[in-house]
Amino acid sequence: DAKTTQPPSMDCAEGRAANLPCNHSTISGNEYVYWYRQIHSQGPQYIIHGLKNNETNEMASLIITEDRKSSTLILPHATLRDTAVYYCIVLLWTGNTPLVFGKGTRLSVIA
Amino acid sequence: NAGVTQTPKFRILKIGQSMTLQCTQDMNHNYMYWYRQDPGMGLKLIYYSVGAGITDKGEVPNGYNVSRSTTEDFPLRLELAAPSQTSVYFCASSYSTGGYEQYFGPGTRLTVT
Repeated sequence: DAKTTQPPSMDCAEGRAANLPCNHSTISGNEYVYWYRQIHSQGPQYIIHGLKNNETNEMASLIITEDRKSSTLILPHATLRDTAVYYCIVLLWTGNTPLVFGKGTRLSVIA
Repeated sequence: NAGVTQTPKFRILKIGQSMTLQCTQDMNHNYMYWYRQDPGMGLKLIYYSVGAGITDKGEVPNGYNVSRSTTEDFPLRLELAAPSQTSVYFCASSYSTGGYEQYFGPGTRLTVT
């Protein structure tokens, strides 16, 4: 599975969009990009995933560059409850390899 | 659905003691996982199971054992607890591996002194 690189921390003002980048330059053509988040002391929570096209759900949007070497998770209107560690993970949809969590990005939403 | 439940929530063990961390899911998922998370670090996979009777090692299996006799339960056994096993342990389940969403339990905070 491709490895990912994320900034260790970011700040965002409450009500503004939070844009979390992820580099995955060695991603292969059939690997998906997944985002999970972990709010303090809780188990991780799935957010969104995508292959090539941009994706949106009730929680966030995922923008994947045309060459697929990087992506951005967007929380359109960040709230204090979005303060968490965000993990970008790349893996095959049908692969036998379970999720591999790196250190992620610690997002702090500031009032 | 209760989802993934874990017991106990907290536990303090003395060095050399043993214990079992319990994990149960009611979503009829085939795949189940055990992770540990040390302070300030990401999750590391200990063991996983693709179905009843089938288990496999993850990244950090030493010092742990698992069994999967039913679809619902996936207990994690610690033998001869060591301070290095002080961590938060998360159990998770998913319909399948690869891209399927994993559902996590609330975690068990274990301290070995």
